[in-house]
Amino acid sequence: EDQVTQSPEALRLQEGESSSLNCSYTVSGLRGLFWYRQDPGKGPEFLFTLYSAGEEKEKERLKATLTKKESFLHITAPKPEDSATYLCAVQDPSGTYKYIFGTGTRLKVLA
Amino acid sequence: EPEVTQTPSHQVTQMGQEVILRCVPISNHLYFYWYRQILGQKVEFLVSFYNNEISEKSEIFDDQFSVERPDGSNFTLKIRSTKLEDSAMYFCASKLVAAGEKLFFGSGTQLSVL
Repeated sequence: EDQVTQSPEALRLQEGESSSLNCSYTVSGLRGLFWYRQDPGKGPEFLFTLYSAGEEKEKERLKATLTKKESFLHITAPKPEDSATYLCAVQDPSGTYKYIFGTGTRLKVLA
Repeated sequence: EPEVTQTPSHQVTQMGQEVILRCVPISNHLYFYWYRQILGQKVEFLVSFYNNEISEKSEIFDDQFSVERPDGSNFTLKIRSTKLEDSAMYFCASKLVAAGEKLFFGSGTQLSVL
């Protein structure tokens, strides 16, 4: 069965302390890997799409990378406003291309 | 930027009652989805809708659930006889094309079944 696994489940960082979040996937025939940010009580907010191994995308303090089996979301010098849950999803290559989500990483950045 | 709109933001209902959750997807999008998220758990796929019919549904989406696009702009999820375990945040999402395209999510409806 296709799976998406994220680690760690939770992460506490001091402001300015860089780190990486991991998303490993086992879906065959990747049609896209997506990173979303989710704030409490809100819907997922799109960050990045990655399609092929070696691809990288950047936005402010965030950088997403992709290999054949996993993706990393690197957070450089985070600020308290980066605190959120970060979700990874892959697109199911069959049927209607629904997203399969991981359980997310809850990030807390302390001032 | 265009956005997906969901109403109400919160819905409280008694077990056994019917609820309708409403969504207005982005106007030129063609693919529509409902997802749900039980507190502390992952975002789960419920159903997808394209060309005025259900294109895929999960095992969660049993006979108590139904979806409609009654007027070309609204997209609704009906739960006929709510159960305690239906309590969750329900998200509507839409996208323009099928493959490789990002999903736009609404802010969700928090459903509480008492």
